[in-house]
This record gives sequence, structure tokens and C-alpha cells, in this order.
Amino acid sequence: AQKITQTQPGMFVQEKEAVTLDCTYDTSDPSYGLFWYKQPSSGEMIFLIYQGSYDQQNATEGRYSLNFQKARKSANLVISASQLGDSAMYFCAMRDLIKAAGNKLTFGGGTRVLVKP
Amino acid sequence: DGGITQSPKYLFRKEGQNVTLSCEQNLNHDAMYWYRQDPGQGLRLIYYSQIVNDFQKGDIAEGYSVSREKKESFPLTVTSAQKNPTAFYLCASSIGTGDSGANVLTFGAGSRLTVL
Repeated sequence: AQKITQTQPGMFVQEKEAVTLDCTYDTSDPSYGLFWYKQPSSGEMIFLIYQGSYDQQNATEGRYSLNFQKARKSANLVISASQLGDSAMYFCAMRDLIKAAGNKLTFGGGTRVLVKP
Repeated sequence: DGGITQSPKYLFRKEGQNVTLSCEQNLNHDAMYWYRQDPGQGLRLIYYSQIVNDFQKGDIAEGYSVSREKKESFPLTVTSAQKNPTAFYLCASSIGTGDSGANVLTFGAGSRLTVL
């Protein structure tokens, strides 16, 4: 069965600094996708970045980058130049591309980030 | 603008009552999903639907029911059989359920249900 682990329940980061959010996963499927979502206090889930298990390069989207280490089964999110608006919950999620029926995502427990001015 | 509309945003229910949460999308997406989120936790899948008139149970379907009579709509009913219904409910949709790993889920703003 799939499992996603986010070991950091909460983090403080100084404005304009970078922050790394940890995510480890477990799956027996050789083909899978990894996602990061942001959930501000309003509750809506906002897609940030995607990494496929066979992608050769780490994904980047603006200030977001994904540090993908396949052998270690980790997919850490790096937010560069933190802004006050980055304060939110962040969720790592995974989808098995072979075994999972439908487009089902399995989510980790989340990390709360608070950016300090 | 295209998106997903969930209503109501807040809902209070007495024990023993059924309640239906609405989810409407105008993204022309084939697949729709319902997730439940408890305080301080991640999301868990309740039901999903890949096409009209078809749906499958997720990981925590007991005490819930859904219908998919129209492509745009995927309402969730929380029945009296759900023992702990107080939670935040999120509806999502995606273009399809194909093999593209980048088939991203788009979420609504959520409905918060409180049982009194």
C-alpha cells in the first residue's frame, strides 16, 4: 500500500529565506507521480508542483522546486525567497500510475509553515 | 472563470440527520472526487467518479453516498450511519483518470460540516 510521511508538523521561516519541507514515500509501483499542494487558511487546495518517477530532472515551478531522490524515496519541496503569503499548510501526495485505479491521490499529514516578517 | 463550486461553505447538522453537500464544476472534467479532512490531518478519499453514472468507493466510504447523474455535478450525502461526520469536505475534479501522472486535481474551497 502507498504511504506518504511528512515528519515536520510545523516550521517557522524568516521572510526572504528558503525553506525545505520533507516528504518520504513508500510504494511498490515502479511508476508513480508525486505532487505538492498548498492549503491556506481559506481551505482550498492549490497545486504547486509535480514530479514523475521517471523524470530525469527535478521539477521546478517559479519559487518552488522539488528535490527528488528516488533511491531514498524522498520528494522534498524547496520554497525559495519565502513571502508572507507562503504561510499555509503544505501537503505531499502520491499517485501510483499502474496499480491505482482512477486518479487517486494519497496524502501525507501536512506541514504548517509560518513565515515571519 | 472555470472552477469548482462547493456549497454550503458551513453546515450544521443534528445527529441522525442526513445532509447533502453540493459540488459543481464547469471545467469539463470527466473525473470527480470527494475527500475528507480532519483537523491537523491530510486528506482521505471517500468516493470518486470517472464518468457519468459510475462511481467507486474510496478508502472511507462507509456512511456516505454519492451520485453522478451529470458530468458537472457530484453531490455527497453524509448519512446518519456516518459515526463521526464532523469534518472539512473537499471536492475535486481532473481531466480524466488516464496514465498521465501530471493529471492534476483541481479542488473546490470546501464545506465544513459540524454535527451538534
